Amino acid sequence: GEDVEQSLFLSVREGDSSVINCTYTDSSSTYLYWYKQEPGAGLQLLTYIFSNMDMKQDQRLTVLLNKKDKHLSLRIADTQTGDSAIYFCAESGVRMDSSYKLIFGSGTRLLVRP
Amino acid sequence: DSGVTQTPKHLITATGQRVTLRCSPRSGDLSVYWYQQSLDQGLQFLIQYYNGEERAKGNILERFSAQQFPDLHSELNLSSLELGDSALYFCASSAGDRGGYGYTFGSGTRLTVV
Repeated sequence: GEDVEQSLFLSVREGDSSVINCTYTDSSSTYLYWYKQEPGAGLQLLTYIFSNMDMKQDQRLTVLLNKKDKHLSLRIADTQTGDSAIYFCAESGVRMDSSYKLIFGSGTRLLVRP
Repeated sequence: DSGVTQTPKHLITATGQRVTLRCSPRSGDLSVYWYQQSLDQGLQFLIQYYNGEERAKGNILERFSAQQFPDLHSELNLSSLELGDSALYFCASSAGDRGGYGYTFGSGTRLTVV
């Protein structure tokens, strides 16, 4: 089946690094994504990684993919109060109905303490 | 502004009523996706249209229907509304039908059924 799981909550101090973890079940996943949702807003695509990559870095964001363990992580360096939001992991791939719809995790609420 | 426009932003209606949510995709995008976000169910995929045709169907109730028009805007119709239909409804768009580089989300319509 297709399932994406994340821990619900993470609290860090401003300036520290944050690591948000995600596991997925679909072996056919081709792209994996991290989205950010701020209060009252839609989902904003932060970054994505193709399934044949192990790592992707984009400024303060580092995505690590362990395809064998179906584990994805997002590291935010020098976390700021403005990073407080809900972070969603998502994956896409060929589904049983031949579609490519994104499957989202339940989201991790990141709280950055001053 | 993500380029995906959803109207209205807020909607309050009574049980048993019918509402229509509207979405205009980002310029050049042919796919439109509808998602429902509720506290207990997370982000649930409802339906995808690509260039006017239904491409994938998710956990969409029979009371709900959608369509994509020739100008590529989409409408999600919710009828015989129940209290449990209260949620945030997101529209997203992508250029192709596979969403490989991720979806662009609108800011959502918050539906409250009273």
